[in-house]
Amino acid sequence: SQQGEEDPQALSIQEGENATMNCSYKTSINNLQWYRQNSGRGLVHLILIRSNEREKHSGRLRVTLDTSKKSSSLLITASRAADTASYFCATVRLNSGNTPLVFGKGTRLSVIA
Amino acid sequence: NAGVTQTPKFRVLKTGQSMTLLCAQDMNHEYMYWYRQDPGMGLRLIHYSVGEGTTAKGEVPDGYNVSRLKKQNFLLGLESAAPSQTSVYFCASSRGQATNEKLFFGSGTQLSVL
Repeated sequence: SQQGEEDPQALSIQEGENATMNCSYKTSINNLQWYRQNSGRGLVHLILIRSNEREKHSGRLRVTLDTSKKSSSLLITASRAADTASYFCATVRLNSGNTPLVFGKGTRLSVIA
Repeated sequence: NAGVTQTPKFRVLKTGQSMTLLCAQDMNHEYMYWYRQDPGMGLRLIHYSVGEGTTAKGEVPDGYNVSRLKKQNFLLGLESAAPSQTSVYFCASSRGQATNEKLFFGSGTQLSVL
């Protein structure tokens, strides 16, 4: 069953605007990862944030993690048409040993030029 | 480097037929995974392997078998395909546990079972 749930399910914005996607999860985690999937392609890793981190940046991406609220957000600044994709959060439960990542259902982002 | 390569990219099966999906990685990764992706369901883990010769069940293992005879290859088998197995299948690999490592994905296999 999905550990993380993204919100919203779909988001449409104009090029140049910022896009914010949220992820909520149910149990305590070791880390949380965000992935991007372009249409018809495999997922590509964007960023990993550990449970003891609150914020992380990578280029135009900013990820925050609030473990007290069991939620994370992905902010894409100054969006481009090429950012159009689905975005997934994925988590690893705390003390889960070799348990693999559990993915959410994703947010479908459309950036209109 | 090719990364993670999946073959075939597309396949159409009739109910009851069998087939094997091949995943190969050239990054010397220990961990390999098979996920399926269905509309509105996100990715669900079928089976995974934490090293050569090991396999473990994921969230939706029924109807599938896997083998990891060589470190670089992870095979997913469907013994008797059913329409419910129509999906896009993704293989992934990682250097170590997902606690610390990111996954690298193949480009997917689109399977239709009629």
